[in-house]
Amino acid sequence: EAGVAQSPRYKIIEKRQSVAFWCNPISGHATLYWYQQILGQGPKLLIQFQNNGVVDDSQLPKDRFSAERLKGVDSTLKIQPAKLEDSAVYLCASSLNLAGGPREQFFGPGTRLTVL
Amino acid sequence: GNSVTQMEGPVTLSEEAFLTINCTYTATGYPSLFWYVQYPGEGLQLLLKATKADDKGSNKGFEATYRKETTSFHLEKGSVQVSDSAVYFCALNSGNTPLVFGKGTRLSVIA
Repeated sequence: EAGVAQSPRYKIIEKRQSVAFWCNPISGHATLYWYQQILGQGPKLLIQFQNNGVVDDSQLPKDRFSAERLKGVDSTLKIQPAKLEDSAVYLCASSLNLAGGPREQFFGPGTRLTVL
Repeated sequence: GNSVTQMEGPVTLSEEAFLTINCTYTATGYPSLFWYVQYPGEGLQLLLKATKADDKGSNKGFEATYRKETTSFHLEKGSVQVSDSAVYFCALNSGNTPLVFGKGTRLSVIA
């Protein structure tokens, strides 16, 4: 079974530029998450999708970050314009939408963003 | 809200030493508890999990027991190997909610 795919793996941009990250979840996984992991910290949720609808985007800095999952499969996260403090690893995860019990989240390899 | 506190690293051990990484949590209701591992240059991988009080999760020689009375989920391994060098994250969630992670503990095992 293919895992969660993300691209690019690495990106270096200057502040005020724009950048986009792509994620393709595991086939059949209805729930998709974007996390931000700043160096030395644990991942923190940016946004959660259930199919193509947003479940939780309370931690997403909406003045500069946007995300979409138009067909309920792959997703794009965009930053425009980027700031120095956006330097981090952006992780995508997916899980099945099963009733009851814990829903294991499977993580992609992440995109390491450096803003200069 | 939910939160996870885990011991600060880095932790440096000799091969075959005993490992404990402490993790305590604050949560409403009955969360599920997880340990994730991040090897150098790789993504997060689930190491083990426990879904209810007194459950023991285990994998690759690692164990952790869900202790509701002490709100803890400490990670242990009896004999670490160089290949266990990684960053370990304690995390929790409830159902389909996002994971809440601790800050991570870096483990270095030297031969």
